[in-house]
Amino acid sequence: EAQVTQNPRYLITVTGKKLTVTCSQNMNHEYMSWYRQDPGLGLRQIYYSMNVEVTDKGDVPEGYKVSRKEKRNFPLILESPSPNQTSLYFCASSLSGGASGNTIYFGEGSWLTVV
Amino acid sequence: DQQVKQNSPSLSVQEGRISILNCDYTNSMFDYFLWYKKYPAEGPTFLISISSIKDKNEDGRFTVFLNKSAKHLSLHIVPSQPGDSAVYFCAAGLGLTGTASKLTFGTGTRLQVTL
Repeated sequence: EAQVTQNPRYLITVTGKKLTVTCSQNMNHEYMSWYRQDPGLGLRQIYYSMNVEVTDKGDVPEGYKVSRKEKRNFPLILESPSPNQTSLYFCASSLSGGASGNTIYFGEGSWLTVV
Repeated sequence: DQQVKQNSPSLSVQEGRISILNCDYTNSMFDYFLWYKKYPAEGPTFLISISSIKDKNEDGRFTVFLNKSAKHLSLHIVPSQPGDSAVYFCAAGLGLTGTASKLTFGTGTRLQVTL
């Protein structure tokens, strides 16, 4: 079954404590990205990756890092989380960058609260 | 600067009637548009798309209309069913131009279909 798996699904953490949200896809997709969803702001792209070792900033990259060492994994790293990073995060993968919308698969989301 | 806007945060429609969800965009370079549906506690799932060379695309009960001169697209659901109750996001991208496309999402419209 085609899947994008994110972990953890729910996390409460404290300001400044580094954390990583993992994302893994089993479809051999080249393109992966991270979004955050906030009330009134919709889904905003944080980072995306077009292939292994190729990453680029999205619309709201500040405070985040990513890495793409293998095709299937695209972790999102918060080196020093702050309360304004409290959000619902989605990982997505696709064969292309989004031109064919029906190839984009989203994970179930990770609720992150920073206190 | 919100390049893709959904000005109605919520919409309530009676079962069997037509639901019309609207979306406006500002970037005239966008050439591919998509609608995603999102249930609570799940990731967005692809619904329907349209490229800028068309003005209408239909898939069962769902039809998307594109008015390029007005930079406006709409999603029509006929007839609406209770299972259509969800948050709908429109998204725009640069897929057809061959550039590294990434999607810009709107803020979402919560549709409630009542009995």
